[in-house]
Amino acid sequence: KNEVEQSPQNLTAQEGEFITINCSYSVGISALHWLQQHPGGGIVSLFMLSSGKKKHGRLIATINIQEKHSSLHITASHPRDSAVYICAAPLYSGGGADGLTFGKGTHLIIQP
Amino acid sequence: EPEVTQTPSHQVTQMGQEVILRCVPISNHLYFYWYRQILGQKVEFLVSFYNNEISEKSEIFDDQFSVERPDGSNFTLKIRSTKLEDSAMYFCASSVEGNTEAFFGQGTRLTVV
Repeated sequence: KNEVEQSPQNLTAQEGEFITINCSYSVGISALHWLQQHPGGGIVSLFMLSSGKKKHGRLIATINIQEKHSSLHITASHPRDSAVYICAAPLYSGGGADGLTFGKGTHLIIQP
Repeated sequence: EPEVTQTPSHQVTQMGQEVILRCVPISNHLYFYWYRQILGQKVEFLVSFYNNEISEKSEIFDDQFSVERPDGSNFTLKIRSTKLEDSAMYFCASSVEGNTEAFFGQGTRLTVV
């Protein structure tokens, strides 16, 4: 069964700073998910990646399958980026209807 | 844009009562999931559902819980006799196939008193 660890748990930064959130997992997987949770509670999928790098606007996600490690980067951070960012991996290897196991999340605050 | 919808958004129930949480997954999705998040804790997997049957379930998903897809659109989570510790945000999710991008509903906040 996969275990997911995220760091840091809390991050406060100034507007414009480059942000990095790290995630490691214990069992080899087919793909990793990055999610965003806003104060209201809703969860939005940001990325699902199985290799290399993906970019969406100011968000970049990378994964190293061999090292079982992924990072989420935010360039030119803005107060509206303030949210909880969560890394999630398949509970087992990622076959079939495998549920996800979640990290504890990184609570990001971007100050103006 | 298609989305997963959950009702109700909030539910308060007395301990021992049955509750049914409802979800309408995205219409062409085949895999359905329930997760829960106790306040201040991480999101936890409850159950996955495919082809009208449970595919995987966690140790949390005991005999008090059941899921059903009563028609072509709804996916429900029933808790038979609620306990105080069932108070949590419950999220429904769906995906086109297994291990593809999951789309989450806005959640149902369940409070057991």
